[in-house]
Amino acid sequence: GAGVSQSPSNKVTEKGKDVELRCDPISGHTALYWYRQSLGQGLEFLIYFQGNSAPDKSGLPSDRFSAERTGGSVSTLTIQRTQQEDSAVYLCASSQSLWDPYEQYFGPGTRLTVT
Amino acid sequence: DAKTTQPTSMDCAEGRAANLPCNHSTISGNEYVYWYRQIHSQGPQYIIHGLKNNETNEMASLIITEDRKSSTLILPHATLRDTAVYYCIVRGNNNAGNMLTFGGGTRLMVKP
Repeated sequence: GAGVSQSPSNKVTEKGKDVELRCDPISGHTALYWYRQSLGQGLEFLIYFQGNSAPDKSGLPSDRFSAERTGGSVSTLTIQRTQQEDSAVYLCASSQSLWDPYEQYFGPGTRLTVT
Repeated sequence: DAKTTQPTSMDCAEGRAANLPCNHSTISGNEYVYWYRQIHSQGPQYIIHGLKNNETNEMASLIITEDRKSSTLILPHATLRDTAVYYCIVRGNNNAGNMLTFGGGTRLMVKP
């Protein structure tokens, strides 16, 4: 079946511009996660959506970062006034339920480069 | 969270079994062992998880010791495409949040 998809696959933007990254989770998965990964580094958790509950935003690095999930499916991560340190691969993952939250399926990522 | 310890790197000959060890001596009773891998330039990929019993799926087998302080991920017939960093993590319902965190992992190099 279809996996998690993300778009765009690559994004180059100028410092100070806003960017929007999109994630389509696996159909039926109620939980959606955003992470980012800098070159050679581990995963950095950003935000987590579970059903209709308020999102866990504890990982967002600054108020320039926001995310929404419409209709319990597609999610958009927005970075305002991008900075060079925002350059990373942004990964989206989804999981089926609260029973197995750590069985997460990842998309291919969006490679963001801020020049 | 229970800490895991893995070798930094391992080599395996193509077609042979790859056995990747993980120590998790502080694992608590309701924590599961999860394995993920990350192939270069791709997102992480879920492989398998288990609690007490050994588990097998189409990708791998997971052997957990009786005292649950260590486990081994087995790729029965490694291929070149299995070259990746393999992460062993321990998570359970008592962990805060549902986010994944990866340690250093084992860099598996499958050689022809």
